[in-house]
Amino acid sequence: ETGVTQSPTHLIKTRGQQVTLRCSSQSGHNTVSWYQQALGQGPQFIFQYYREEENGRGNFPPRFSGLQFPNYSSELNVNALELDDSALYLCASSSQGAAETQYFGPGTRLLVL
Amino acid sequence: AQSVTQLGSHVSVSEGALVLLRCNYSSSVPPYLFWYVQYPNQGLQLLLKYTSAATLVKGINGFEAEFKKSETSFHLTKPSAHMSDAAEYFCAVTFSNDYKLSFGAGTTVTVRA
Repeated sequence: ETGVTQSPTHLIKTRGQQVTLRCSSQSGHNTVSWYQQALGQGPQFIFQYYREEENGRGNFPPRFSGLQFPNYSSELNVNALELDDSALYLCASSSQGAAETQYFGPGTRLLVL
Repeated sequence: AQSVTQLGSHVSVSEGALVLLRCNYSSSVPPYLFWYVQYPNQGLQLLLKYTSAATLVKGINGFEAEFKKSETSFHLTKPSAHMSDAAEYFCAVTFSNDYKLSFGAGTTVTVRA
C-alpha cells in the first residue's frame, strides 16, 4: 500500500510568483486536506477536498486554491506569493468522516524570497 | 471557539524516565482527539486517537493517552523514554460536524542519555 506522497520536496520562489504543489493520496482514500505549517508552529488548515469538491476552508485568502482529480490526487495553488507564505505545506488523505485518521505526506517546504 | 492547548513548548527527559505531554481542549460538543509525532524534516505520524470509545487509548511505540472529560484533557504518556522519542508532538482536535483538524502549537521532546 502506497502512502501519501507530495512533490516537490523543496521549492524556492520569489514574491509575486505562483506555485503549484501536488499530492497523491493513499489508496482507498477519497478526501484530501491541506495544511500550512510555519516554522515552530502547529499546522493550520487551508482546505479540504472530497470527491473533487471543496468541502471546507480555513482562514486563508482566495489566492490559495486547490483541485482534486478523479483519482483523488490533489493540487494546491498559491498566487501572488508573499514572504509569509514560506512554510511547510502538508497534505493529508483520509476516508470521509471526522473520526477518520488523516494520513500525512512528508510535505513540501516552500521558501519565498 | 473550539481549540486545543498544549502546555509546555519544550520537555526534556532522561532516557528511561516518564514522558508526560499535556493537552487540554475547549469544546461545547464531544471531541475527537489525536496525537501526532513529527520527526525532523518529515510529515506527521499518528500516535493514537480518541473517538468516543475507551477513554484510555493505547498507541504505537508504547505511548498512551487518557481522555478526561471532567478535566477537558487528553495527556500523552510513555512510561520509559527512549532516545528515538526525541521529536515534536502535536495534539489535535476535531468534531463530528467538522472537517478539519485543529492543532496545538506542539511540544518538542528531547531525551538525555
